[in-house]
Amino acid sequence: ETGVTQTPRHLVMGMTNKKSLKCEQHLGHNAMYWYKQSAKKPLELMFVYNFKEQTENNSVPSRFSPECPNSSHLFLHLHTLQPEDSALYLCASSQETVWGVTVTQYFGPGTRLTVL
Amino acid sequence: DAKTTQPNSMESNEEEPVHLPCNHSTISGTDYIHWYRQLPSQGPEYVIHGLTSNVNNRMASLAIAEDRKSSTLILHRATLRDAAVYYCIDGSSNTGKLIFGQGTTLQVKP
Repeated sequence: ETGVTQTPRHLVMGMTNKKSLKCEQHLGHNAMYWYKQSAKKPLELMFVYNFKEQTENNSVPSRFSPECPNSSHLFLHLHTLQPEDSALYLCASSQETVWGVTVTQYFGPGTRLTVL
Repeated sequence: DAKTTQPNSMESNEEEPVHLPCNHSTISGTDYIHWYRQLPSQGPEYVIHGLTSNVNNRMASLAIAEDRKSSTLILHRATLRDAAVYYCIDGSSNTGKLIFGQGTTLQVKP
């Protein structure tokens, strides 16, 4: 596998379910990101991790819980979601972010989530 | 909110050049200009970036205005595979974050 992979590619869940999205990067990067892309809306940054430490939480509801066990893996744990949370969830990775420098990000294909 | 403005959509004919414009009215002196594109059913992919000088790579060219308030992404010969949403982004020199706008949907006609 090369680049950034995400599993599953599609997920349908009920509002009472608990599920997890997985992201893995094979690029040797130290920063990982979660974005949300809703229909007709721009990509929204959700979380940023640098060297496994969360460095940004963009006011995301607590029903979304990220986990970064190492620099290569990123999870997004989902529980008691709402139908409006249905969206494409994208993972990205990059070299570690440094204040004052915008680094190139490499995106996975996304997980299409539908909440019933 | 995104700091750039782009046309919502553009059309091009296959094998013709395409010039995608972007306005960066609030760009600061140290912000890089980034372009990404998102093909159907895929995540965004990096295209090119620059600060002041024009830039070329295997995918495209980037022309940056002298005052840096606008840029143009140039696809020299559009192919059907170039049909995508193209995003221009002011890289925030303070936070290092990429803030995506709505982008320009490019349609390429055979």
